[in-house]
Amino acid sequence: NAGVMQNPRHLVRRRGQEARLRCSPMKGHSHVYWYRQLPEEGLKFMVYLQKENIIDESGMPKERFSAEFPKEGPSILRIQQVVRGDSAAYFCASSKRQGNTGELFFGEGSRLTVL
Amino acid sequence: QQQVKQSPQSLIVQKGGIPIINCAYENTAFDYFPWYQQFPGKGPALLIAIRPDVSEKKEGRFTISFNKSAKQFSLHIMDSQPGDSATYFCAASAYSGGGADGLTFGKGTHLIIQP
Repeated sequence: NAGVMQNPRHLVRRRGQEARLRCSPMKGHSHVYWYRQLPEEGLKFMVYLQKENIIDESGMPKERFSAEFPKEGPSILRIQQVVRGDSAAYFCASSKRQGNTGELFFGEGSRLTVL
Repeated sequence: QQQVKQSPQSLIVQKGGIPIINCAYENTAFDYFPWYQQFPGKGPALLIAIRPDVSEKKEGRFTISFNKSAKQFSLHIMDSQPGDSATYFCAASAYSGGGADGLTFGKGTHLIIQP
């Protein structure tokens, strides 16, 4: 009974490169959330997706960031032309249903370092 | 605008003591208040949660106290143990039925229980 799986766990990129972070939700979960955590900060909501749909991307930077959750396969958070300020831990969470989503199950995160 | 304010930022308590972490919120639409526990290098894990129709909820050694009129809630850890040393996040969410269902997190409290 696997939990939320994220990979890679650690990713190092040079400025200007692309980063792709993947998230497989828990079995039976069709709602996926991405959060970003900076050192000594809480988790900041980025985007909420269901299969093939972006429901809310109000927390996503307007440029360079995109997310998808295809019909088949994991959800992907893509960061183009990374900058040093993108260095953070990115957490994916999933839930079984929409609404009152306090019952989120988090993965162990992908830690991005931009050199 | 930070919608959930958490304090203290860090806390050191002797084993057996009762650490108390406080959170205050602004959005009166919030109706679900979970606490998450995060160990270094891991993702946050749901610890305990409360809804505003009750003033207190207890699960094992963890208790949430909720004051709706003051828009405040707190986490108490009874008989604290060194294994409780972690970062604790309060959070809040509002059922919107289709919009931004993501949690809003406090900035976290780094708790150390000394043996």
